[in-house]
Amino acid sequence: EVQVLESGGGLVQPGGSLRLSCAASGFSFTTNAMTWVRQAPGEGLEWVSGINSGGDNTYYADSVKGRFTISRDNSKNTLYLQINSLRAEDTALYYCAKGGSVSGSVRWFDPWGQGTLVTVSS
Amino acid sequence: QSALTQPASVSGSPGQSITISCTGTSSDVGGYNYVSWYQQHPGKAPKLMIYDVSNRPSGISNRFSGSKSGNTASLTISGLQADDEADYYCSSYRGRTTYVFGTGTKVTVL
Repeated sequence: EVQVLESGGGLVQPGGSLRLSCAASGFSFTTNAMTWVRQAPGEGLEWVSGINSGGDNTYYADSVKGRFTISRDNSKNTLYLQINSLRAEDTALYYCAKGGSVSGSVRWFDPWGQGTLVTVSS
Repeated sequence: QSALTQPASVSGSPGQSITISCTGTSSDVGGYNYVSWYQQHPGKAPKLMIYDVSNRPSGISNRFSGSKSGNTASLTISGLQADDEADYYCSSYRGRTTYVFGTGTKVTVL
């Protein structure tokens, strides 16, 4: 079964940091782009960041650029998101998803994990 | 990076058809055939329902269909069923390997 499983969320003070992880299984992790999407409580989905299969190309939403860093360890089938300088507005459920494509650019996201909750509060 | 515009809510009776619109710009929906749709039940992860505007993944009912005209994409659910009650989000590629989601639509089965 193709699946991804996030972990690493928690309660953190404003200005703090966290590293989220996403363990992938059931598919060839090394040949697939991956992405992070977040959802604030009661709100909609927001694309956060993406990374290509080799890990040498990374992409970010303007809202997190300079504070978040996406990376991957293909030897461990694991995706990461390092989130720094956390703000209250970063409070959200963070989902990991496999990028879907026929060739070239990612065109859809599937499957998604259950998410890991990040709460930024003093 | 403004979100794509969706109606906040759409409702229909069992067996009816409903359509959810997703309006963007020529820089996203209108510029690429990379529109996808996701269903999200309360407390659950989003699930891919449509990709590349009108393609259904394996296992998705043919009651779900997608289309696009200009800067507006649409998701139609025919033969509405109780389990279709959920939030639905569109998404589009926006160039430079960035993506944007819609504001989300709550579908209610009356």
